[in-house]
Order: sequence, then structure tokens, then C-alpha cells
Amino acid sequence: DQQVKQNSPSLSVQEGRISILNCDYTNSMFDYFLWYKKYPAEGPTFLISISSIKDKNEDGRFTVFLNKSAKHLSLHIVPSQPGDSAVYFCAASAPRSARQLTFGSGTQLTVLP
Amino acid sequence: DTEVTQTPKHLVMGMTNKKSLKCEQHMGHRAMYWYKQKAKKPPELMFVYSYEKLSINESVPSRFSPECPNSSLLNLHLHALQPEDSALYLCASSQVSAANTGELFFGEGSRLTVL
Repeated sequence: DQQVKQNSPSLSVQEGRISILNCDYTNSMFDYFLWYKKYPAEGPTFLISISSIKDKNEDGRFTVFLNKSAKHLSLHIVPSQPGDSAVYFCAASAPRSARQLTFGSGTQLTVLP
Repeated sequence: DTEVTQTPKHLVMGMTNKKSLKCEQHMGHRAMYWYKQKAKKPPELMFVYSYEKLSINESVPSRFSPECPNSSLLNLHLHALQPEDSALYLCASSQVSAANTGELFFGEGSRLTVL
């Protein structure tokens, strides 16, 4: 049972345009959501996160939106750059002293020059 | 220092070999993790250490043996592995506190190939 789902395995976007990556979750205990970016042969790198008490968090070109009623979050990248081409993993965690992350299956973003 | 360092970066071993993967962090994190990642798949949790004690073992076969000698080090001992164990093995660390949001700091991984 996948508790965190990324239904789009891949996304291609033109440089300068907006990239929107989507993520859905089923576990209502999740209270923190994170996006990780991963280049080939490297470990995932934390990108941006959002607490369930918020509906938006912005950091430079990256904005994460959370819709709790729909159990949906999205990552917006604007403007997209070729260096943003990577696999993006959505992850969620529930309250616990040493939190575990539940990852989605990832979306390969390709930004075309 | 916000790095998690993993060695070796690449490892090739036979099914009868014994080898170890090592991980080190100096961020004062008291939770450390081993994940396994296959190509085009999300990281899969294997083990969690909290305050140097094994707190979670996700039903990992005994041919993988974790060890946490101190709060900065995490090892994964490998013995009698199978070719299907070939993967990228990721170490991560995090805080252990009420302020912990679940943000993990990952190392670059150790690419393991079992022949």
C-alpha cells in the first residue's frame, strides 16, 4: 500500500517555464512533507519542506503547496533551469522521535534548453 | 559541517566475500539510517539507529548486519550477498527531538555490485 504517490514518472518542461510536480498521500497522520532532489549516482538532497499547519512555503524559485483536504501537495519551480533536471522525490513523515520518511516513487524532471 | 560521508563510493564483491560500508557524520545527529535504492525506485528503509541503539529493522535479511560504534559512525557489514542485493546504499542522519521534522541528511551513497 503506497502511502505517498507520485503518479507522473516523468515531466519535460521548457527552460524558463514553470515545472509543477505533484504528490498525493493517504496517511492522515503525516504532518510534515518534504521534497528531495536526486542526481544520478548521488544521494538525495533536501530541497524544501512544509508543515501541515501551513498551505504554502516558498524558497527562491521553489514553492510547495499543501492541500490537506485533498491530501495533495505540489512543488512549483519557476523559472525552470536545465540544472533542475533530476529525479524529485516527495516524502512525508509522522510524529515520532526519530522520524521515518515515506517516499514517493519519484518524478524525473527534464528541463529542455 | 553538514555532510554525511560514505565510504567506499563503489564496491564490487563476490557472493562469498565479507565487506563493510561505512558512514560518518559530525552534525551531532543521534539518529542514523541505512537505505537501499535500486534504479528508478525510491529509497527503501533498512535500519534506523536512535541514540546508538537499533530501533528499526525493516525485516532485512541477516546477510546485512548494521553496527553503530558511536554517535558519529554507522557501519553496514555485508556477508554472503546475492546479485539482487546490488544497489545504491544510502546512509542518512537526522535529529532526534520534538523539533525533528523528518529532514534527513543523506550521504552520496555506496554503489554495491555483487557478482
